[in-house]
Amino acid sequence: AQKVTQAQTEISVVEKEDVTLDCVYETRDTTYYLFWYKQPPSGELVFLIRRNSFDEQNEISGRYSWNFQKSTSSFNFTITASQVVDSAVYFCALSGVDNDMRFGAGTRLTVKP
Amino acid sequence: ETGVTQSPTHLIKTRGQQVTLRCSSQSGHNTVSWYQQALGQGPQFIFQYYREEENGRGNFPPRFSGLQFPNYSSELNVNALELDDSALYLCASSRGLEPVNEQFFGPGTRLTVL
Repeated sequence: AQKVTQAQTEISVVEKEDVTLDCVYETRDTTYYLFWYKQPPSGELVFLIRRNSFDEQNEISGRYSWNFQKSTSSFNFTITASQVVDSAVYFCALSGVDNDMRFGAGTRLTVKP
Repeated sequence: ETGVTQSPTHLIKTRGQQVTLRCSSQSGHNTVSWYQQALGQGPQFIFQYYREEENGRGNFPPRFSGLQFPNYSSELNVNALELDDSALYLCASSRGLEPVNEQFFGPGTRLTVL
């Protein structure tokens, strides 16, 4: 069975602090995809990144970076120099060969000015 | 904005009633997936439609059913509503079936069952 665990329910930081959101997954598939989505108060899920199981390269996109480690089944997300606009709920998700995308419970990030 | 639209935005129903939610997929997308997101939780996969056929279903009872039309828009129908059906219902469209294809989410329909 596939499972995604986001152990951090809520995180609060002050603007300009760095923050890391943790994601641990379980799957028996050898081919799978990991995702991060942002959900602002409006409710619409915003795609941030997709990573397949064969690509363990870390990725950086502006202030965002992702650390994928198969050895620990983790796909962590770091925001550098956080801003108030980063406040949202962030979801990690896993999709295997059956197209059943499993989401974690989400981490609510609050960035205070 | 993703180009995926959902209607209505909000809906209030009473227990036992039936409800139909609608989703228009992004242009060029032939796959629609539906998710239920209860308050404070992550979205849960209900089912997926590809070219008008159901292609995969999550752990939801048969009273949750769907349709996909020739223009690839989709409906989610829920019969015999229960209080626990209160949630945000999200649809997502994508091109094809491969998990690698990005899903574009709509803004959701918030259903309240009283």
